[in-house]
Amino acid sequence: GENVEQHPSTLSVQEGDSAVIKCTYSDSASNYFPWYKQELGKRPQLIIDIRSNVGEKKDQRIAVTLNKTAKHFSLHITETQPEDSAVYFCAASAGKLIFGQGTELSVKP
Amino acid sequence: DTAVSQTPKYLVTQMGNDKSIKCEQNLGHDTMYWYKQDSKKFLKIMFSYNNKELIINETVPNRFSPKSPDKAHLNLHINSLELGDSAVYFCASSPSGFGSQPQHFGDGTRLSIL
Repeated sequence: GENVEQHPSTLSVQEGDSAVIKCTYSDSASNYFPWYKQELGKRPQLIIDIRSNVGEKKDQRIAVTLNKTAKHFSLHITETQPEDSAVYFCAASAGKLIFGQGTELSVKP
Repeated sequence: DTAVSQTPKYLVTQMGNDKSIKCEQNLGHDTMYWYKQDSKKFLKIMFSYNNKELIINETVPNRFSPKSPDKAHLNLHINSLELGDSAVYFCASSPSGFGSQPQHFGDGTRLSIL
C-alpha cells in the first residue's frame, strides 16, 4: 500500500542553523505534498505545501523541494528559532493524505 | 472564531463503554475527515466525508461509525471501547475531497480508556 518514510525521527540544531527533513513516498500517483507542524498538545498546522507540477516553493524561512523522479521531497528551515521546536510531519496524497512518522525538531538557544 | 471545533477535548471512560465525539467546521468546506494519532504520534486517516457522502473508509473496526448530518458536521461514535482505542482523535476539513487540498485540523479529542 501507500507509504511515506520520513527522516530523521529527531533533529537537534543550534539557533540560527538550518534544518532539513526528508521524505520519500511510494505511490507515483501522489500529486500533493503538505507539511504540518505540531506543537506539544496542539493540533497539526499546515506550514507549506507543494503540488507535483512544481519543483520548489519558498515562504520566508521555509522551503520545500520535490523530486518526482526519485519520489523524494524535503523541508528546509533556515535561521531556526526556538519557536520552531515542534514535531514536523510530511504527507503525500494520491487521493488521501498518508503521513510520515514525524520529526521532532529541537532548536537550542 | 474556531474554524474546526471538536467536543469533548478530553474523554476518560471505561472499557466496554460507548462514546461519541462531535466535530463542526465553519469554513464552508465540503469535506471532513477523522484521523487517529497514536501514542507514537503516528497520524492515520480513518474516514472522510464529502458533502455528507462517505468517500474514504480505511481499515477501521466496525465499532467505529461516523455520521455526517450535514457538510458542516461530522461525528464519530465508538462502541465497546477497547484499551487500544486510547489515542488523540483529530477532525479536519478541506475545501474539497480526495486529499489534494489543504486540511485544517481541530484541536483533537484525547480519549483515554481505563
